[in-house]
Amino acid sequence: DAGVIQSPRHEVTEMGQEVTLRCKPISGHDYLFWYRQTMMRGLELLIYFNNNVPIDDSGMPEDRFSAKMPNASFSTLKIQPSEPRDSAVYFCASRREENQPQHFGDGTRLSIL
Amino acid sequence: AQSVTQPDIHITVSEGASLELRCNYSYGATPYLFWYVQSPGQGLQLLLKYFSGDTLVQGIKGFEAEFKRSQSSFNLRKPSVHWSDAAEYFCAVGAGENYGQNFVFGPGTRLSVLP
Repeated sequence: DAGVIQSPRHEVTEMGQEVTLRCKPISGHDYLFWYRQTMMRGLELLIYFNNNVPIDDSGMPEDRFSAKMPNASFSTLKIQPSEPRDSAVYFCASRREENQPQHFGDGTRLSIL
Repeated sequence: AQSVTQPDIHITVSEGASLELRCNYSYGATPYLFWYVQSPGQGLQLLLKYFSGDTLVQGIKGFEAEFKRSQSSFNLRKPSVHWSDAAEYFCAVGAGENYGQNFVFGPGTRLSVLP
């Protein structure tokens, strides 16, 4: 089975630009999570969805960040406008219901210049 | 809310030596416990999980972990380390039936393996 697929793997852009990160969860998984990983703060949960509905976005750092899940097989995390402090690795993860672990994608390494 | 500590930021062992990575959690009830491994430039891969039952759980790549309620610990062990085990290891805790927002990662332990 295909795992969680994220794109792009790497993104380098200038500050002020809009950045869109994409995620395709594992088929049949009802939960989708977005994480950010930095050296200083480790892994932080940004937002998660259940059945395409955002359940908890309290980890989203500020209004510049937004996430959508228009259907069960696709989610986006958007940063507009981007800032250098947004540079990090962003992971998407998915899981089934009921006591199943999360499965992670390979991440998107984002660099904002 | 639950929390996770991994007291060792960095551990170095020789290839063939035994390994134990420590994980302590804070939570009022029995949590769901996980160990993940992250190789450089890669995502997190699940090594093993504990939900209930036998407190000694076996995982992939020869790893095992033991849940000790009295010590609030879930330490990861491997009897003989291979050079390919060099990576970052994360302990994680999930709480409650819907542990989406209650899924917390520890800060990680970086493992280096000497030839």
